[in-house]
Amino acid sequence: GEDVEQSLFLSVREGDSSVINCTYTDSSSTYLYWYKQEPGAGLQLLTYIFSNMDMKQDQRLTVLLNKKDKHLSLRIADTQTGDSAIYFCAESRDNYGQNFVFGPGTRLSVLP
Amino acid sequence: EAQVTQNPRYLITVTGKKLTVTCSQNMNHEYMSWYRQDPGLGLRQIYYSMNVEVTDKGDVPEGYKVSRKEKRNFPLILESPSPNQTSLYFCASSIGTSGKQFFGPGTRLTVL
Repeated sequence: GEDVEQSLFLSVREGDSSVINCTYTDSSSTYLYWYKQEPGAGLQLLTYIFSNMDMKQDQRLTVLLNKKDKHLSLRIADTQTGDSAIYFCAESRDNYGQNFVFGPGTRLSVLP
Repeated sequence: EAQVTQNPRYLITVTGKKLTVTCSQNMNHEYMSWYRQDPGLGLRQIYYSMNVEVTDKGDVPEGYKVSRKEKRNFPLILESPSPNQTSLYFCASSIGTSGKQFFGPGTRLTVL
């Protein structure tokens, strides 16, 4: 299909790890991205991964890429209340990093 | 401060009344895009531009026009708005082909 898919909701306890999953469609995508949207704000780029990588770690964030299954995940270690937001997975479908398709977003709720 | 600005932030209008949403960036980015965000659908790309006078259709261009006469500005034009264009609109800019986008704060449009 044409869609990038994500589960819509995730709740975790403060201090636990969060894992947000995404399946994408275009095996030729060069880059895959995770964006964060806080309430009432625009999106901010959290991290991205080249399609020839399996994993990328950046402080509390770990991105895993399974190209065979077209599966991308974002793990947030030691989740804090400030991590409550909507997380979008996105892929670029051209070689210029301009023609984007976003998933529907996963709303992460962090419970105290 | 490096930023993408959009105006207006909120707009209520009536069917058929032409409107323009402005977008401006001060980062000298070549690439700019427009998206609409609807619940459960994530962000869908409307148009993008890789440089002055170069624009391309995204996934949902119908009912919209854009222009790129200057590098810093990328206005979105609705010639004859309809209620199904009620949405939250985001402008974004990026440099190079990495696709790392900077988003504006959003424009909430209601068409009655």
